[in-house]
Amino acid sequence: QSALTQPPSASGSPGQSVTISCTGTSSDVGDYNYVSWYQQHPGKAPKLMIYEVTKRPSGVPDRFSGSKSGNTASLTVSGLQAEDEADYYCSSYAGSNTPFVFGTGTKVTVL
Amino acid sequence: EVQLLESGGGLVQPGGSLRLSCAASGFTFTSYAMSWVRQAPGKGLEWLSSITYSGHNTYYADSVKGRSSISRDNSKSTLYLRLNSLRAEDTAVYYCAKDEEVVPRTIDSWGQGTLVTVSS
Repeated sequence: QSALTQPPSASGSPGQSVTISCTGTSSDVGDYNYVSWYQQHPGKAPKLMIYEVTKRPSGVPDRFSGSKSGNTASLTVSGLQAEDEADYYCSSYAGSNTPFVFGTGTKVTVL
Repeated sequence: EVQLLESGGGLVQPGGSLRLSCAASGFTFTSYAMSWVRQAPGKGLEWLSSITYSGHNTYYADSVKGRSSISRDNSKSTLYLRLNSLRAEDTAVYYCAKDEEVVPRTIDSWGQGTLVTVSS
């Protein structure tokens, strides 16, 4: 199972929006609505931001939203804030033999 | 509050073995699948292994299949990972992770990780 493809970096000014793509295949992202997004600050554990493509856990700001079209999922961060600067990883369920495949990761910079 | 506390990391010689443990608290351990994920220095997340709530079903990534074993002791709310034939590329922070269901589909909580360094 190959890693999902994400852009290495993305950036935006405070208050702007940034969208990160996550491209998989018809065997993972395209076949299941179990796409998650994680935020990871340096030296910290990942934190769940979006699950099941569009759902937000309690406590996650509604500035974070998810979507999916075909084999590509996306995370949008609206109204960028300084604390949003972090690495973001997508993940998809890929079937009963390979429950998880992660994305390559995207570093988001707030200019 | 979900708490996952990993232990067992450290310096290991190439070819050696280790057993990682993850003590869980703050939730009903027996009701959720669990996983191990690692992150090599400066690299991305890599799923390694998962186990269903009962322990009856286990899953492994190709990178560790055949030289690893995941298990759980529901009476102790503890998850384990044994990894054999360690090599330099196994050097990473190893995270214990909780799923939101009885089978692995969505990781919703992570431990702080334990560092494993494979070096002579």
